[in-house]
Amino acid sequence: NAGVTQTPKFRILKIGQSMTLQCTQDMNHNYMYWYRQDPGMGLKLIYYSVGAGITDKGEVPNGYNVSRSTTEDFPLRLELAAPSQTSVYFCASSGGWGDQPQHFGDGTRLSIL
Amino acid sequence: DQQVKQNSPSLSVQEGRISILNCDYTNSMFDYFLWYKKYPAEGPTFLISISSIKDKNEDGRFTVFLNKSAKHLSLHIVPSQPGDSAVYFCAAQGGNKLVFGAGTILRVKS
Repeated sequence: NAGVTQTPKFRILKIGQSMTLQCTQDMNHNYMYWYRQDPGMGLKLIYYSVGAGITDKGEVPNGYNVSRSTTEDFPLRLELAAPSQTSVYFCASSGGWGDQPQHFGDGTRLSIL
Repeated sequence: DQQVKQNSPSLSVQEGRISILNCDYTNSMFDYFLWYKKYPAEGPTFLISISSIKDKNEDGRFTVFLNKSAKHLSLHIVPSQPGDSAVYFCAAQGGNKLVFGAGTILRVKS
């Protein structure tokens, strides 16, 4: 019963490097999300998708890109890593809005040095 | 601009007693409110929710109360157990966005 799977769990990047955080879900959810959580703060929405081929910006999209070519996968791309992007990243999925809660992966801890 | 606030960073409760976690919000357009629990090195896990048209929702030991006029909700855990020790996030949904509070660390002492 995998749910939402994120890889990698940990990563250290140098300033200016690029990487992709992977997220896949096996619940056939149409809605997927990327959040970041900074120390002592709540989760902030980076990007979300309401279905394959459809993505939209959240609260803090600058410095990130996403794509949604399949229902299962929703990768998050950092093009030019900056120290301000040091954070824990969570991917989530849900069947919709309202009373359908989001299911989260276990997160990717990313450090930019 | 924090639309969802959890003003207590931490709470310590004795096992068997009631835990009350509080949350305030500013946007009257929120239509669903949810509580998530998070253990270290894991993602948040959904706990309980309430629609804006209700004032109470109960699920076992967990009850959420909503006071729309005060823009306030609370989560009651009775009785509290050591396994309830975690970070609790309040979240509010409006339109297509879920806005999270900063979380409250609950410690249940045995």
